[in-house]
Amino acid sequence: AQSVTQPDIHITVSEGASLELRCNYSYGATPYLFWYVQSPGQGLQLLLKYFSGDTLVQGIKGFEAEFKRSQSSFNLRKPSVHWSDAAEYFCAVGAWNYGQNFVFGPGTRLSVLP
Amino acid sequence: DTEVTQTPKHLVMGMTNKKSLKCEQHMGHRAMYWYKQKAKKPPELMFVYSYEKLSINESVPSRFSPECPNSSLLNLHLHALQPEDSALYLCASSQDMSSGYTFGSGTRLTVV
Repeated sequence: AQSVTQPDIHITVSEGASLELRCNYSYGATPYLFWYVQSPGQGLQLLLKYFSGDTLVQGIKGFEAEFKRSQSSFNLRKPSVHWSDAAEYFCAVGAWNYGQNFVFGPGTRLSVLP
Repeated sequence: DTEVTQTPKHLVMGMTNKKSLKCEQHMGHRAMYWYKQKAKKPPELMFVYSYEKLSINESVPSRFSPECPNSSLLNLHLHALQPEDSALYLCASSQDMSSGYTFGSGTRLTVV
């Protein structure tokens, strides 16, 4: 069965510092991979996605992610964090279980220090 | 229109009440979803509708009843809920696996 792990429950960085959020997945075929961001009390917004092609993908809000098949990873990065990036970040993998759906990781909460 | 609209945004209901959550999208997406999200947890899949037919029901209690009247609308009917059902209920839609979900902003449900 498909699964997604995010090893870091909570990360704190200073504004202007670089950021990397880790995501590892377990899936038997070429996965569809996504990163979503959720601000408190809000829905989830798609940051970026990967399913084929260039393994470094660019997303919105200055985020990028790199797919590494050998490590089963899809880590999210940002070179310079802004205070407004403080939120919950979810990695997700597309799955087929009698219909398409997406399996979410447990999430990483990002705090940003001024 | 690139949004999923959920109403109401907040709902407080008693354990004997009947209420409905509504979700609407006009992006032509053929799959629609209900998720339940508790605080500090990822969304948990409840139901999937594909081409207006229920394709996934994740063993959700019968006090939650989904309905898909047409390709743009998704309802979640609530009856005799328990306090532990208090959560953020998220609706999402997608065209296909490669496009990912578009989420609504959710309905914050409190059962008293």
